[in-house]
Order: sequence, then structure tokens, then C-alpha cells
Amino acid sequence: AQSVTQPDIHITVSEGASLELRCNYSYGATPYLFWYVQSPGQGLQLLLKYFSGDTLVQGIKGFEAEFKRSQSSFNLRKPSVHWSDAAEYFCAVEGDSSYKLIFGSGTRLLVRP
Amino acid sequence: DVKVTQSSRYLVKRTGEKVFLECVQDMDHENMFWYRQDPGLGLRLIYFSYDVKMKEKGDIPEGYSVSREKKERFSLILESASTNQTSMYLCASTITTGERNTIYFGEGSWLTVV
Repeated sequence: AQSVTQPDIHITVSEGASLELRCNYSYGATPYLFWYVQSPGQGLQLLLKYFSGDTLVQGIKGFEAEFKRSQSSFNLRKPSVHWSDAAEYFCAVEGDSSYKLIFGSGTRLLVRP
Repeated sequence: DVKVTQSSRYLVKRTGEKVFLECVQDMDHENMFWYRQDPGLGLRLIYFSYDVKMKEKGDIPEGYSVSREKKERFSLILESASTNQTSMYLCASTITTGERNTIYFGEGSWLTVV
């Protein structure tokens, strides 16, 4: 069965520092992978998605993610974090049935001034 | 822009009450979903619907039912609310095409059952 693991429950970084959020997936075929962000009290907003092609995917708000098949990973990165990036981040993979997403448990990002 | 609207943002209900959570999307999407979000568990799929009057169980359908009488509206029903159904509920929708598309989420409905 497909699954997504986000090993870090919380991460704290200083404003201006670089960020990497980890995501590992379990899926037999070529996965469709997503990163979503959720600000407090809000729904989820899509940051970026990987379907095929270039393994380095650019998203909104300066985020990027790299698909590494050999490591079953899809880590999210940002070179310089802003205070407004403090939120919860979810990695997801599309399941066997089309259009249904399987989510990781999320990583809460705290940004230190 | 696609808009997925959950009309009730915050609800407090008593144990045993029947609860309706409504979701409306304005982009003629075929697929609609209800997820439940709990701390440390991420989002878990309750039910989804790929057409009017069609529904399929997700991973945690127990204690819930759904209704899709019109394409734009997908309702989640708690027949007899229990305290363990206190949670954030998220509705989502997406179109069906040959290429995978983005799933759009509503802002969520916070339900407290007392």
C-alpha cells in the first residue's frame, strides 16, 4: 500500500536560513507527488507537484523540491526562509485510485526571528 | 480561480446530534472529497465522489455518510455525532481529465462535539 512519511514533526529555523523538509514515499509505480502548505486556521494550498520529467520542480513562494527515485524521496527546499513561511507542510502521493491523495502526517515549521 | 467553499467554519454540536457539513465548488469539477485532519495523523480520506449520486468509501468512513445530489455540492453527514469526531474537516475537488490535475481544498470546518 502507498504511504508517505514525514519524519520531522517540528522544525525550527532562523529567518534567512535555508530549509529542507523531508518526505519519503512508498509506491510501486511512478508516483505523482505533491507538497501542500497550511497556514493556521486555513485550508491547504498547493506549493508544487511532480508528475514526470525534470526531477527538480519549482513551486510558488520560492520553494522547490527534488524527486529522487533511488531514495524514494521528495524533499522540499527553500534557500532563505521568511517569517511568513511558518506553517504546516504536507507531502502527498496520489494513490492507486486516480485523484485520491495519501498524505504524510505533516511538518510544522517555526521561524525564529 | 477555483473556489471550494465550506459554509460552516466553526461548529459546536452535542453528542448524538446529526451534523451536516456542506461543501460547494464553482468549477464544475467531477471529483469531490472529504478529508479529516488530526494532529500527528495528517489528512485521512473519509469519502469521495466522482459524479453526481456516486460515492466511494475512503480510509475512515465509519460514522459518516455523504450526499451528492448536485455536481457542485458534496455534503458530509454525521448521523450521530460522537466526541471522537471532534476534528477539522476539509473538502476538496478536482477535475477529471487525461492529465493529473491539482486538487483544490476548502478552508476547513472545525467541528467540536461535546
